[in-house]
Amino acid sequence: GQNIDQPTEMTATEGAIVQINCTYQTSGFNGLFWYQQHAGEAPTFLSYNVLDGLEEKGRFSSFLSRSKGYSYLLLKELQMKDSASYLCAVKDSNYQLIWGAGTKLIIKP
Amino acid sequence: EPEVTQTPSHQVTQMGQEVILRCVPISNHLYFYWYRQILGQKVEFLVSFYNNEISEKSEIFDDQFSVERPDGSNFTLKIRSTKLEDSAMYFCASNSGTGETDTQYFGPGTRLTVL
Repeated sequence: GQNIDQPTEMTATEGAIVQINCTYQTSGFNGLFWYQQHAGEAPTFLSYNVLDGLEEKGRFSSFLSRSKGYSYLLLKELQMKDSASYLCAVKDSNYQLIWGAGTKLIIKP
Repeated sequence: EPEVTQTPSHQVTQMGQEVILRCVPISNHLYFYWYRQILGQKVEFLVSFYNNEISEKSEIFDDQFSVERPDGSNFTLKIRSTKLEDSAMYFCASNSGTGETDTQYFGPGTRLTVL
């Protein structure tokens, strides 16, 4: 079966750095996405990785290792507005997005 | 910036009734999707649609569900006879089918409550 694992919940302090991990086992791989979802709202796109390595976009970076089936999202200089769920999703061989359950990130002052 | 829109934002219906959820994808996008998210649970793929036909569908998307693109702008999800367990947020998404990232952009969702 297809499986994407992420921690259920993480807590971090405003101004700090946090790393959210994602491991996946899917039938094929055509890219990995990170989305942010505030409670009651739609997921919004954060980043995309299809090749191994680090993609940096402002305060957010995402890393991929295809051989390990592993990705992480790194958030720097955390702000209170970063409190949200972070969803890891993999596009499989059918180009269908398979979603993780999301990691709820709580930012404390 | 273009965005996906959905109506209504909230829909309350009685069990057994039919509902139609509406979406207007981004205008130059070619691929359309419906997802659902039961409160507190993960996003679940329902169906993808391309070139006026379903390209993929999940096990959730049974005979009670149908999709349609009735004109050049709208994309609808119909649930024929709603069940209590259909209560969820329903998200429409679209992507262009081109470009390196080919990102799916989501609408704000319709919260469906079945009583």
